[in-house]
Amino acid sequence: ELKVEQNPLFLSMQEGKNYTIYCNYSTTSDRLYWYRQDPGKSLESLFVLLSNGAVKQEGRLMASLDTKARLSTLHITAAVHDLSATYFCAVDRVGAQKLVFGQGTRLTINP
Amino acid sequence: GAVVSQHPSRVICKSGTSVKIECRSLDFQATTMFWYRQFPKQSLMLMATSNEGSKATYEQGVEKDKFLINHASLTLSTLTVTSAHPEDSSFYICSARRFSGKDTQYFGPGTRLTVL
Repeated sequence: ELKVEQNPLFLSMQEGKNYTIYCNYSTTSDRLYWYRQDPGKSLESLFVLLSNGAVKQEGRLMASLDTKARLSTLHITAAVHDLSATYFCAVDRVGAQKLVFGQGTRLTINP
Repeated sequence: GAVVSQHPSRVICKSGTSVKIECRSLDFQATTMFWYRQFPKQSLMLMATSNEGSKATYEQGVEKDKFLINHASLTLSTLTVTSAHPEDSSFYICSARRFSGKDTQYFGPGTRLTVL
């Protein structure tokens, strides 16, 4: 059974600091996704990572994928308050249609 | 492109009534649609996968007779919560995929269901 685990689950940080959220998954997958969710809202797609060594960046967020380690990271650079949200990673299982989500990381950035 | 809508966005109903939630792909044809449920401060839980014109595939532990899913066309799937109870109160999110297994899922805005 494919399992996806994120850590930390809660993260409180100050503006201007850097931090990394980790996403581990248990079996081979096709793709890895990162999503953002604001309170009361649905998911906003951030990144889709397709292959080993893939790195994608958008603004202060950068995501990477190591398929050999079954690990993805979401790095936040010089955090700003607007990045406060819950971040989910999700994995597409090989040969299956469905996504398996991690528990989510609730990020709070304090001024 | 790839916009998914849900209706209604919020619904409040009395215990024992049925509620229908619609999920539409607005600018593409969705071969597969997915229904998720999210309790407060928790992750998304897949309830079922539906392919157009065929019966939905439900995840383990999801009651088929309680959560009726119909995927009658390539742009519309509906979720009906029958005889709703307070424990069914949740955030329901649908997603749609264009091509079988080879495309990303596009998520709808979600429907907040409150059962009194």
